[in-house]
Amino acid sequence: SQTIHQWPATLVQPVGSPLSLECTVEGTSNPNLYWYRQAAGRGLQLLFYSVGIGQISSEVPQNLSASRPQDRQFILSSKKLLLSDSGFYLCAWSSGLAGVETQYFGPGTRLLVL
Amino acid sequence: KQEVTQIPAALSVPEGENLVLNCSFTDSAIYNLQWFRQDPGKGLTSLLLIQSSQREQTSGRLNASLDKSSGRSTLYIAASQPGDSATYLCARGATNKLIFGTGTLLAVQP
Repeated sequence: SQTIHQWPATLVQPVGSPLSLECTVEGTSNPNLYWYRQAAGRGLQLLFYSVGIGQISSEVPQNLSASRPQDRQFILSSKKLLLSDSGFYLCAWSSGLAGVETQYFGPGTRLLVL
Repeated sequence: KQEVTQIPAALSVPEGENLVLNCSFTDSAIYNLQWFRQDPGKGLTSLLLIQSSQREQTSGRLNASLDKSSGRSTLYIAASQPGDSATYLCARGATNKLIFGTGTLLAVQP
């Protein structure tokens, strides 16, 4: 069976510090991978998606970047965090195109930038 | 603008009651409509997926319907239980993405 992992579960970082969140998927190959942010009262916002190694699409301009160094690994990064980067970050995968296939979500990382 | 709206934002019902959660979307050219459940501080769990060619899907006590012409989907929960308490999110399938509503927070009182 497929499982998706995210770490860390919780992170408190000062403004201006770097960020690295990791997501890995097990039990499937060549998944489509997604990073979402969920801010209070604003719903789930798609940040990045990837259909293959090294292929990253950005949905919104922002202070964040994503990378996919391996087939089942997706990393969300920032060089300098802003207060507005606080939120709940969710990684997800799907076997086919998003919007066509269902997505399976990880447990999330809660980020608080102070 | 592709929007997904969920009403009500919050709902409290006594245990055993049947209830309906509403989802509306502005673009009828959808791939599908999906319903998810989110427990506090957790990720999302997929409940039901209705393809654009379908009108409804059922899983246990859950039934989801889709009316593309009116831009609406409903999630019907029969005989609600305290364990159903969670936030329910709908999402419409678009090219390479899901577009989510802001959710309905459901509390089922024992």
